[in-house]
Amino acid sequence: GDSVTQMEGPVTLSEEAFLTINCTYTATGYPSLFWYVQYPGEGLQLLLKATKADDKGSNKGFEATYRKETTSFHLEKGSVQVSDSAVYFCALPHSGGGADGLTFGKGTHLIIQP
Amino acid sequence: EAQVTQNPRYLITVTGKKLTVTCSQNMNHEYMSWYRQDPGLGLRQIYYSMNVEVTDKGDVPEGYKVSRKEKRNFPLILESPSPNQTSLYFCASRPTGRFYEQYFGPGTRLTVT
Repeated sequence: GDSVTQMEGPVTLSEEAFLTINCTYTATGYPSLFWYVQYPGEGLQLLLKATKADDKGSNKGFEATYRKETTSFHLEKGSVQVSDSAVYFCALPHSGGGADGLTFGKGTHLIIQP
Repeated sequence: EAQVTQNPRYLITVTGKKLTVTCSQNMNHEYMSWYRQDPGLGLRQIYYSMNVEVTDKGDVPEGYKVSRKEKRNFPLILESPSPNQTSLYFCASRPTGRFYEQYFGPGTRLTVT
């Protein structure tokens, strides 16, 4: 079945460092791809999305480009802040039958130190 | 304020004692889901519902029940909880046609001893 693979971390960076969190997927066709973020003590919230190949999703200074050649959707940010500390999940839609919802990666815990 | 609420937020119980975790959304969404989050496993879908009285199994439904008698509510029922159901549970809802735009509740941390 469809799946998502991402580094689990924790990833620890200093404030203003460049961030990359890798995400690769296995799927039939070209599904939409998403990044969700979970701040401490909260539920997940949609960070950005890309609905077709070569699309770039962006939000809050984060970007991710849908690359079908490498089946990847890496999350990047040029200068991270302490407030970006959270767990980040790459996801794609459930596939097959009447299944609803998303298939998530295992999550990457990001820690930003001042 | 548009939101998904869950209760309780924290629960410690014993093996075999039936419990219900409530979930409610005020956005008139048709689709609702339950997920569990475990270290090293990420989020896995337990059950989902496409509308009132329409529910279906997700990836890990064993040991859980759900009901959808009203559009806004989607309770998760553990008839006989076991320690392997100790986890962090999230309810989510989404609008029709925008399958990616999931709104998550704040989570319920359940411990079964």
